[in-house]
Amino acid sequence: GEDVEQSLFLSVREGDSSVINCTYTDSSSTYLYWYKQEPGAGLQLLTYIFSNMDMKQDQRLTVLLNKKDKHLSLRIADTQTGDSAIYFCAEALNAGGTSYGKLTFGQGTILTVHP
Amino acid sequence: NAGVTQTPKFQVLKTGQSMTLQCAQDMNHNSMYWYRQDPGMGLRLIYYSASEGTTDKGEVPNGYNVSRLNKREFSLRLESAAPSQTSVYFCASSDRGITEAFFGQGTRLTVV
Repeated sequence: GEDVEQSLFLSVREGDSSVINCTYTDSSSTYLYWYKQEPGAGLQLLTYIFSNMDMKQDQRLTVLLNKKDKHLSLRIADTQTGDSAIYFCAEALNAGGTSYGKLTFGQGTILTVHP
Repeated sequence: NAGVTQTPKFQVLKTGQSMTLQCAQDMNHNSMYWYRQDPGMGLRLIYYSASEGTTDKGEVPNGYNVSRLNKREFSLRLESAAPSQTSVYFCASSDRGITEAFFGQGTRLTVV
């Protein structure tokens, strides 16, 4: 079955880069996602990467995908206190043409940014 | 531009009581989902509806029932609430050709 693992905590200083790591087990995954959750709020999609890509950059965010090791990372450049939140990685399986809302989530990484 | 709307936002139930969590989306999506979020466990899929008129079990369906009332609405029912169902519940919707799922703001449920 599918399993997605993340480390639970990350603490960085404001202005530094943050790197959040994720491993997954299902090699048939199509899309891999990074979601952000602020306290008491829902999930906000940050970025995603298709499984045939190695890297995707979107402003301060860089996603790296190592398919051989089934490893996904999210790098946040110039981390700000407003980036403090829980970050979830998630994988969507190729469900035969149905939509990509059937997701397996990691446990979430709590990012704390210190001034 | 509401997106996915969940009601209520907060609820406290006594053990054994029943209730229905409501979810509606205004994006004309075919697929809808119910997840629960527990500390240290991420989100887990309870039930989903790939299209109007169909529902399927997810990873943790025990103790829940769902109804896809129409294309817009997908409800989650707890027939006899248990403390283990204390959680934050999220509804989501998506569709073919859309690479992401859109989530509601969540319902925080406490069963005492």
